[in-house]
Amino acid sequence: DADVTQTPRNRITKTGKRIMLECSQTKGHDRMYWYRQDPGLGLRLIYYSFDVKDINKGEISDGYSVSRQAQAKFSLSLESAIPNQTALYFCATSVARFTGELFFGEGSRLTVL
Amino acid sequence: GIQVEQSPPDLILQEGANSTLRCNFSDSVNNLQWFHQNPWGQLINLFYIPSGTKQNGRLSATTVATERYSLLYISSSQTTDSGVYFCASLGVGGTSYGKLTFGQGTILTVHP
Repeated sequence: DADVTQTPRNRITKTGKRIMLECSQTKGHDRMYWYRQDPGLGLRLIYYSFDVKDINKGEISDGYSVSRQAQAKFSLSLESAIPNQTALYFCATSVARFTGELFFGEGSRLTVL
Repeated sequence: GIQVEQSPPDLILQEGANSTLRCNFSDSVNNLQWFHQNPWGQLINLFYIPSGTKQNGRLSATTVATERYSLLYISSSQTTDSGVYFCASLGVGGTSYGKLTFGQGTILTVHP
């Protein structure tokens, strides 16, 4: 089983719907991240959490919210999905030091019609 | 924040050829990672290499932190090496602190 698990792996939804992407990890890492990938744009940081009580906005947080339910769980919500949020979303984890190596989940492909 | 630039953007090889991918970063970093994104979209960790040289089979990487660049070498390429290669660096301070910034990637295609 993967150390960093994302659900769902694929989702098609309609404009205006609320969507939640979930991430859970068994690596015991304190830090968790949500990234978004668009074709030709690499990965961009949406939100990150250094521990359960520490949540921070990344470079493209507008239209998204997150919840850190536990050390092992970090969910990303789109309150009212729009088509330009169609993308591949990745969750990642790292140890609690600023040189820590990041480990990624398998990705969640979201399509908003 | 920190800027990460990769070159070349695209690379086409015949199986068995060698290649070098480059990653330049604009500021001091505490972490430099190389990833391979396979055709299914999965990001696979290749190297965690803030400085020095590492080797793993046909792949090796070198980071010269003082000159702000890293190189990924692929020798005797195989069709399974195809995909996108990303480098990413972790900033040391200011708005970049604690956040991994990705380059745009190099798209590698290896033909049989």
